[in-house]
Order: sequence, then C-alpha cells, then structure tokens
Amino acid sequence: SAVISQKPSRDICQRGTSLTIQCQVDSQVTMMFWYRQQPGQSLTLIATANQGSEATYESGFVIDKFPISRPNLTFSTLTVSNMSPEDSSIYLCSVKVGSPNTGELFFGEGSRLTVL
Amino acid sequence: AQKITQTQPGMFVQEKEAVTLDCTYDTSDQSYGLFWYKQPSSGEMIFLIYQGSYDEQNATEGRYSLNFQKARKSANLVISASQLGDSAMYFCAMREGIIEDTGRRALTFGSGTRLQVQP
Repeated sequence: SAVISQKPSRDICQRGTSLTIQCQVDSQVTMMFWYRQQPGQSLTLIATANQGSEATYESGFVIDKFPISRPNLTFSTLTVSNMSPEDSSIYLCSVKVGSPNTGELFFGEGSRLTVL
Repeated sequence: AQKITQTQPGMFVQEKEAVTLDCTYDTSDQSYGLFWYKQPSSGEMIFLIYQGSYDEQNATEGRYSLNFQKARKSANLVISASQLGDSAMYFCAMREGIIEDTGRRALTFGSGTRLQVQP
C-alpha cells in the first residue's frame, strides 16, 4: 500500500490566481497520476507525471494550464493556473504500488478547490 | 464511445440486503483489469476489488464480489448484507493492456453510482 498526503486539503481561490497542490508519497513510485473530479462527476485523468521528464497530458488538458513537476520519486506538484470558477473541483493525486499488472491505484485525500 | 458505463446514477437498498451495481466496459485489448472504488462523502477513494481479464473465477473480497461476464463485457459489483456505512459513490474503472504495457497506465473511471442504504 501507499500513504499519500496532499496539500492543501481545500482552498478558496480568487479568479485569475494560481494554486499549487503538493503530493507526497511514503514510498518511491515510478508514475504518479493527477485526476480531476468536478462536482458530482467522475474522475478524469489530467496527466501522468514521470520522474525526470515532462508530464504526459490527456486530451483537453495542457501544460500551460496545469503545469506539473516531478522532482523525485516521492513527490509531485500540480499547479492550476489562471483559475476560473470552472476549475472548482477536487484534484486527486494517485499512484500505483505493487504488481505492475494488477496493482490498484492509491489516492490521496484530494484537494478541494473553490474558485470565486 | 464510453470506456466504462455505469447506467445507475442512484440506487437504494435496505440494510442487510444485497445490491448489484452495474458496470459495462468497452475495450479491444485482450488483457485488462477492472476495479471498483468506493467514495464516501469525505471524498477519499477506497479500493474495493479487482478482476483481471484472464481470471477465470469471479473476484471476492469480504462482502464484495465481482460478477464478471467477459462475453457481455460486464463487471457488476455485488455487495452482500448491506450496511449503513456502505452509502457512498461507487466507481467502476478499467486499466487496459495490463500485460503488454507493464500495467503502468492510469485508470479510466465510469460516471459512478450513488448507493444509499436505508435502515
């Protein structure tokens, strides 16, 4: 298993500002994933964060809006840039630990952002 | 096309009864994994159960079992003896290419089913 800590757990932000979410894992992991969960919706993958290389973004998400850092195997950050009310969501960090084939994803507790 | 379809936005069940949450999936991969997660109102995501596409037996974990019907591409979650604490959102998810790709891919999630257990 893995213990994943996210900061902040929640925040209220002003339109046009940026916020960086931190994700700390208690073990070394190859890949970390960032998901977004808009109110009442399912989880949508934003990007896969590889240590030492550029993150891989899913369709509809771009690096300028969601820059990601992955400086080492236990830490990653996601920045939500130039926020608008549509960015109000829960942002979840997740990792896969264990068997490459069957290992489930472990999730952080999420960062709930409200943009006014 | 939707990769994961959960057709039940909401379900009610009486305490101590069993309930089935539906999930169908769409993939052309031969190897894939299917997952169920529970999300209580607190927002955390809790892993419940896993089924691999090559597993011949249905997965079981305590009160959770997965009714895997490969030909129909369905992976329904069965919760037996429902408890009040089971009230939550339930998400079905899939990872494709679990063998060929060393299982590194992220999961694709369905839209979820909100389960409410009534006393």
